[in-house]
Amino acid sequence: EADIYQTPRYLVIGTGKKITLECSQTMGHDKMYWYQQDPGMELHLIHYSYGVNSTEKGDLSSESTVSRIRTEHFPLTLESARPSHTSQYLCASSELGRANDGYTFGSGTRLTVV
Amino acid sequence: DQQVKQNSPSLSVQEGRISILNCDYTNSMFDYFLWYKKYPAEGPTFLISISSIKDKNEDGRFTVFLNKSAKHLSLHIVPSQPGDSAVYFCAASGGGNQFYFGTGTSLTVIP
Repeated sequence: EADIYQTPRYLVIGTGKKITLECSQTMGHDKMYWYQQDPGMELHLIHYSYGVNSTEKGDLSSESTVSRIRTEHFPLTLESARPSHTSQYLCASSELGRANDGYTFGSGTRLTVV
Repeated sequence: DQQVKQNSPSLSVQEGRISILNCDYTNSMFDYFLWYKKYPAEGPTFLISISSIKDKNEDGRFTVFLNKSAKHLSLHIVPSQPGDSAVYFCAASGGGNQFYFGTGTSLTVIP
């Protein structure tokens, strides 16, 4: 049974639409992350959070934004989707100070912008 | 600039034989390394880790070797099983909870 949930799993949307990718975890983890992965490429960190009301940008520049109002919820929003946003988006979480135990990843959202 | 590299995009191995997946890194500050396994349409799952104070870590059929001087690590799977067929990612961290991932190696174990 998954401890971290991402919805939707697949999304095809038109250019210019606003979208929100949902990520929720039930483990009480403090740290949460959003990674972006194109086929055959490495995972790139685009956003992370140390806890409620904490958000930081990752190494890969992204036009998306995130919020962390509740510990368990870390949604990612694109105000105006473009074809260049087509990618897989992976959400992950870890316990603060115990990231060396590894992340727990969600199943991902595969986004296609047409 | 890619800090973690997996130069073999794919690998095929016969069932029962050894699978060796390789990973190179460029940042000498990295001191913790993980391997993840990913099945299609699922997120990566944590497999095994190693810290820089060790050169080997073993967990059942999986062993990770670290060569700090060469900035190289490898994952050995012995014996390989068809259920091991997946994409394997290595990841490295220099502290601060951020991990850098390689591009993955797709392993196919042939029955």
